[in-house]
Amino acid sequence: ILNVEQSPQSLHVQEGDSTNFTCSFPSSNFYALHWYRWETAKSPEALFVMTLNGDEKKKGRISATLNTKEGYSYLYIKGSQPEDSATYLCASLNSGNTPLVFGKGTRLSVIA
Amino acid sequence: DSGVTQTPKHLITATGQRVTLRCSPRSGDLSVYWYQQSLDQGLQFLIQYYNGEERAKGNILERFSAQQFPDLHSELNLSSLELGDSALYFCASSVFPDSGANVLTFGAGSRLTVL
Repeated sequence: ILNVEQSPQSLHVQEGDSTNFTCSFPSSNFYALHWYRWETAKSPEALFVMTLNGDEKKKGRISATLNTKEGYSYLYIKGSQPEDSATYLCASLNSGNTPLVFGKGTRLSVIA
Repeated sequence: DSGVTQTPKHLITATGQRVTLRCSPRSGDLSVYWYQQSLDQGLQFLIQYYNGEERAKGNILERFSAQQFPDLHSELNLSSLELGDSALYFCASSVFPDSGANVLTFGAGSRLTVL
């Protein structure tokens, strides 16, 4: 079973600060890496799906990178806003008929 | 609204009881996944169905069972409930059977409290 680790577990930043957090996953038989944003009392929503080593994806102020050889992905948020406060989940999938394995998430709080 | 509907939103029951959680996938999605989130745990995969057939199975307890019906809605049955079964149960759906490059669309979850 894959072990997906996210760090830090929680993070408090000031409005306007840029921040980043890490998702580590086993690199063998890698197939895909997903990032989801989960606001309290809402459904987790997909941010990115990445499959290729070196992939970089961007959505507004949020971007992500992927290194499949060393087994990590970074999520960056530029100029954090209070509405960015959420738990950010990553999930990894290795090849074969296996399900997505989620990390425990990084809980981000942006203080105005 | 994600398009994935889960009912009930909240459920409080006693140990030893049986409950059924229901999920309607987003229109057009054929695959349904069930995840459990307990305190301090990540989303734990329970089971996946694709077009009515079981596709993948995770660490689902024998006391739990699920099925996907011809209209593609799914039900998760939890029986002989224990205190430790208290959790947020998520349903997610996707178009294709493999959750590789296609994202999951999550419902809002069903929060189960076992007293």
